[in-house]
Amino acid sequence: NFMLTQPHSVSESPGKTVTISCTRSSGSMDSNFVQWYQQRPGSAPTTVIYEDNQRPSGVPDRFSGSIDSSSNSASLTISGLKTEDEADYYCQSYASHNQVFGGGTKLTVL
Amino acid sequence: QVQLQESGPGLVKPSGTLSLTCAVSGYSISNGYYWGWIRQPPGKGLEWIGSNHHSGSAHYNPSLKSRVTISVDTSKNQFSLKLSSVTAADTAVYYCARVSYCGGDCYSNFDSWGQGTLVTVSS
Repeated sequence: NFMLTQPHSVSESPGKTVTISCTRSSGSMDSNFVQWYQQRPGSAPTTVIYEDNQRPSGVPDRFSGSIDSSSNSASLTISGLKTEDEADYYCQSYASHNQVFGGGTKLTVL
Repeated sequence: QVQLQESGPGLVKPSGTLSLTCAVSGYSISNGYYWGWIRQPPGKGLEWIGSNHHSGSAHYNPSLKSRVTISVDTSKNQFSLKLSSVTAADTAVYYCARVSYCGGDCYSNFDSWGQGTLVTVSS
């Protein structure tokens, strides 16, 4: 099975833009859809990006997703940061019917 | 709107079997999708346990496969998790979720989640 590696934490100021990376250890990142979840303390995760770059209804267009085949990674970019964006973010993908989550990134908006 | 609700014992003894049920409302479990379990140890990240389809096509995390069974009960519109030979390392919040499936080896997101239930393994 493969692993998805994320930075443990990132921080940025309100109004700025932050990018969270997710690198796949083996297999091609662009072969299987990548999802991104936001989890606030004490709550279940919710989807902010699905199928690489699609936003569910209700998720602001400040959130965007992309795939970089050259680095075998996916990225979640959040622009115009708000204090309410402070949360844990997880990438997720799959291969051979096995689902894999990244280790999570704690986003601090300060 | 689909809703999922986990239920089951909050305390399980070491070497015992953890059993949880996820009741689904607002959507028929027979209408497709995979139905899965994810857990999160206190202060740690998410770990996929496994998923099953109403057709009985189940898939499990290789690291847990020998101890896990996920079954789907269409008559009760619910699905269940059994994890055997538990240890303290199995202490976690357990979530049930619906998994969007696009056919073959193609999945989209876990689009609906239960609120989660804490299961502690302790004597």
